[in-house]
Parts: sequence; C-alpha cells; structure tokens
Amino acid sequence: GENVEQHPSTLSVQEGDSAVIKCTYSDSASNYFPWYKQELGKGPQLIIDIRSNVGEKKDQRIAVTLNKTAKHFSLHITETQPEDSAVYFCAALLTGGGNKLTFGTGTQLKVEL
Amino acid sequence: NAGVTQTPKFRVLKTGQSMTLLCAQDMNHEYMYWYRQDPGMGLRLIHYSVGEGTTAKGEVPDGYNVSRLKKQNFLLGLESAAPSQTSVYFCASRSLAGGYNEQFFGPGTRLTVL
Repeated sequence: GENVEQHPSTLSVQEGDSAVIKCTYSDSASNYFPWYKQELGKGPQLIIDIRSNVGEKKDQRIAVTLNKTAKHFSLHITETQPEDSAVYFCAALLTGGGNKLTFGTGTQLKVEL
Repeated sequence: NAGVTQTPKFRVLKTGQSMTLLCAQDMNHEYMYWYRQDPGMGLRLIHYSVGEGTTAKGEVPDGYNVSRLKKQNFLLGLESAAPSQTSVYFCASRSLAGGYNEQFFGPGTRLTVL
C-alpha cells in the first residue's frame, strides 16, 4: 500500500515569514495530493490540492509543488499570519478501490507574533 | 447545507460496552469514510463505503463494524470497546461525479474508553 512521510512534525515561524512542509510518498501510481488544515477541535479542511499532471499550483499565499520523479510534494505558505497556526496534513490518493487517501502524520505550525 | 455531521460529539465508555457513531451527509455523496486520529499518527482509515449497501475494510478495521443502509448515513459500531479505541473519530464523504476528489470531513467524535 501507499506510505506517506511528512516533515517536520512541528514548525515555528515568525509572522510574515514563510513556512514549508514536505511530504514523500511511496507508490508512483498515486495521482492526487491534497493538503488539509485542521484547527483545534475541528475536522480537517482542504486548503489546496494538486494532481499528478501538474508541477505547481498556487492559491494566494499558499502553493504546492510536486516532483513525481522524486515522489515528493511540498506546501509553501508565504507571509504567514497568526490564523495560519494549525495542524497541516498531506495525503496521497490511489484511484480505484474506494479512492482511499493515505495521510501523513501532520505538522503543527505555530506562527508567532 | 449542513455538510457532514457526526453524533455524538463526545462519549465516555467503559471497557466492554458497545456504541454506535453516526455520520450523516446531505451532499448526495457516494463515498463515505471513517477515520481515527491518534497523536503523532495522522488519520488512519477504519472502513469505507463506495455506495449504499456496500462497505469495505480500511487500514485498521479490527474491533469495528460499519453499515450503510441509506446513502446519506454511515454508522460505525464498537461491539466491545477497549482502551486502545480511545481516539478522535472522523467521518468524511466524497462525490464520485467528475473525478472531483475532495473529501469533506465532519467535526469529529472524541471517544474515551476507560
């Protein structure tokens, strides 16, 4: 099955700085890579995703890059704000058989004033 | 649209007790999923369903059963709760239409087994 590794497990940045979270996956057949943000006491919410036929996608202050050859993808948050503080999860999807997502172990991002 | 809702929000059980967690979605999604979330382990798939009347095992199915009698509901059952099942449980749903892959999550159920 698929295995997703995520680093770092915790990340502390100053407000206005950039934050980068990295994930690697094991199955080259995975073709969809979402990023979820989870605020305290809530369920995960999709913030950005990328498909395997695209190398980069950007949405305002967040961007995701994908390197299929190396089997890794990254989340980039620029101009961080206190409301960006949350746990972020990456995931990889193998189509077929229920289209199951395999999640990374999460990154606790803290944006300090 | 309420999206994905879960009941109850919190529950405390004693070892050996049984309970059912209910997930409901009003988006007419075909796929539904149950995950558990434990510290440092991310979200792990327990069971899932690709349509009404169908269920399948995920990564960590032992000790759980599920049923999907109606398209909008997905039930997760614990027949004999164990302390190892203390966790936060999330339900999610996904549309089959147009290859749109986003999974929408509920707010979670925090379960403690004493």
